[in-house]
Amino acid sequence: DAKTTQPTSMDCAEGRAANLPCNHSTISGNEYVYWYRQIHSQGPQYIIHGLKNNETNEMASLIITEDRKSSTLILPHATLRDTAVYYCITANSGGSNYKLTFGKGTLLTVNP
Amino acid sequence: DVKVTQSSRYLVKRTGEKVFLECVQDMDHENMFWYRQDPGLGLRLIYFSYDVKMKEKGDIPEGYSVSREKKERFSLILESASTNQTSMYLCASSLYQAKFFGPGTRLTVL
Repeated sequence: DAKTTQPTSMDCAEGRAANLPCNHSTISGNEYVYWYRQIHSQGPQYIIHGLKNNETNEMASLIITEDRKSSTLILPHATLRDTAVYYCITANSGGSNYKLTFGKGTLLTVNP
Repeated sequence: DVKVTQSSRYLVKRTGEKVFLECVQDMDHENMFWYRQDPGLGLRLIYFSYDVKMKEKGDIPEGYSVSREKKERFSLILESASTNQTSMYLCASSLYQAKFFGPGTRLTVL
């Protein structure tokens, strides 16, 4: 899997948009970008994934640059419950995607 | 919503005991996984299963075995627990790419 680089920590005010960047400059053509988060002492939670196009679901939006070397996860209206470590990873789809290597992630702290 | 449940949130066992960790998913997913998570080491794959009675070793299978007799249930077995198996154990299931995790079992081996 391609390596990703994320800032160690970020702060965001409650109610504001949280924009979490991720660099994945060595991503290969068949690799997807996935985002997960982990709230303290809980299991990781899947957020969103994408290949080339921007994606949106009920939790977040994912913006992938045209060259696919970086992406941004957007939480449009952050709440205190969004405080967590956010992981960006890249992986193939299908049968080879059994491993899931989380890096250190970004600790997002949402402040009141 | 996908639901993955694990039999215990916290478990304390003694060295040498046989330990069973159970995981159940309710979304008819083909693939199920067992990971352990340790500070500084991230998430490491122990075993995975892509079908009933099928299993594959992950990165750190030593000291563990698994059982998948039914599609919805994937069990992790520590044959003889040791102190270095003290960890957070996470079960996950997936149909395609996205993985859905259970709440985790924090196992302490004394």
